[in-house]
Amino acid sequence: KNEVEQSPQNLTAQEGEFITINCSYSVGISALHWLQQHPGGGIVSLFMLSSGKKKHGRLIATINIQEKHSSLHITASHPRDSAVYICAPVVGNQFYFGTGTSLTVIP
Amino acid sequence: IAGITQAPTSQILAAGRRMTLRCTQDMRHNAMYWYRQDLGLGLRLIHYSNTAGTTGKGEVPDGYSVSRANTDDFPLTLASAVPSQTSVYFCASSENAEDEQFFGPGTRLTVL
Repeated sequence: KNEVEQSPQNLTAQEGEFITINCSYSVGISALHWLQQHPGGGIVSLFMLSSGKKKHGRLIATINIQEKHSSLHITASHPRDSAVYICAPVVGNQFYFGTGTSLTVIP
Repeated sequence: IAGITQAPTSQILAAGRRMTLRCTQDMRHNAMYWYRQDLGLGLRLIHYSNTAGTTGKGEVPDGYSVSRANTDDFPLTLASAVPSQTSVYFCASSENAEDEQFFGPGTRLTVL
């Protein structure tokens, strides 16, 4: 079974701050999925990556397969970034979802 | 329809009743999934389908059944609902298994 740990569990930041959310997992994976869950409950796919780094707007995701670790960075954070961020390592066709990091960005 | 839809949005159900949650996608994705999300727990896979005509059990399949008669639809049935099935249910789809998943808006189910 793949153990998935996200840190921190909760995070409060001031608008404009640089934010990092970490995801560690215990078994070898083929890829990792980052998701965002809005306060209203909707879930949006942010990134799917298997190596290196991906960037989309103010969001950057990195992964180190050998160290079994991925990070999600948010630059120039904004209150609309307030959400739960979920990582999901992929083993074969199985997605293992973390419990998420709850981010609140204060104006 | 654009993307993936679920119905109903929410439902209150008496224990013992039968209920079907509907999920439809118009992206012609091969793979579809049903998850439940409970407070303090991550998304847990109930059932999945890698392609039309096939289904498989996930982490928490007991008390649920699915069918995949065509590419677009993936209904989830609770044959006899119990209070422990109170949860938010998400349907998702991906082009193929292992690909990025796209989620529906969720169904909030309360079993009394």
